Amino acid sequence: QQQVKQSPQSLIVQKGGISIINCAYENTAFDYFPWYQQFPGKGPALLIAIRPDVSEKKEGRFTISFNKSAKQFSLHIMDSQPGDSATYFCAASRGYYGGSQGNLIFGKGTKLSVKP
Amino acid sequence: DAGITQSPRHKVTETGTPVTLRCHQTENHRYMYWYRQDPGHGLRLIHYSYGVKDTDKGEVSDGYSVSRSKTEDFLLTLESATSSQTSVYFCATGPSLNTEAFFGQGTRLTVV
Repeated sequence: QQQVKQSPQSLIVQKGGISIINCAYENTAFDYFPWYQQFPGKGPALLIAIRPDVSEKKEGRFTISFNKSAKQFSLHIMDSQPGDSATYFCAASRGYYGGSQGNLIFGKGTKLSVKP
Repeated sequence: DAGITQSPRHKVTETGTPVTLRCHQTENHRYMYWYRQDPGHGLRLIHYSYGVKDTDKGEVSDGYSVSRSKTEDFLLTLESATSSQTSVYFCATGPSLNTEAFFGQGTRLTVV
């Protein structure tokens, strides 16, 4: 059972446009929601993360919007650049609950291409 | 890459042979993870460790075993490699639960 659903699978955006990637989760116990960026041949690297006590977090051109009631969160990339072309993964995890561990559960990824 | 080294980076092996992948970290992180990445499946957790000699299964643990005898090293063993285990394997580490994980560069394994 997939606990984190990510869409779209692929996305093509023109340079300067806004890229939007969405994720939905099922487990209401999740309380850490990171986004990872991965370039070809490299390992994923943390881009930005949010916890459910805030509805939005912005770092430079990257913003996470979080909707706790809808169990959804999204990544917005403003003024998208060709250098942003990569695969993006959302993830979720929860704190320790009686035998559970805070392991990250990943979405399936979105391949973003930013055209010049 | 937060001081995480995976070896080998590439390997081709034959079906039925045992294979061991190594992850070495210099960050003194308590938690270590092995993920596999396949097209259309994202990153799936194989096994993880929450301390020396403390390990547990992840989502896709069948056919894999792990060992952690030192804080800095986490080994992933394919007991008898199968073609379905052809994948890119990533090691990750983290200082604590429910927070950022740092990934290595990956090992591309091909089972023929």
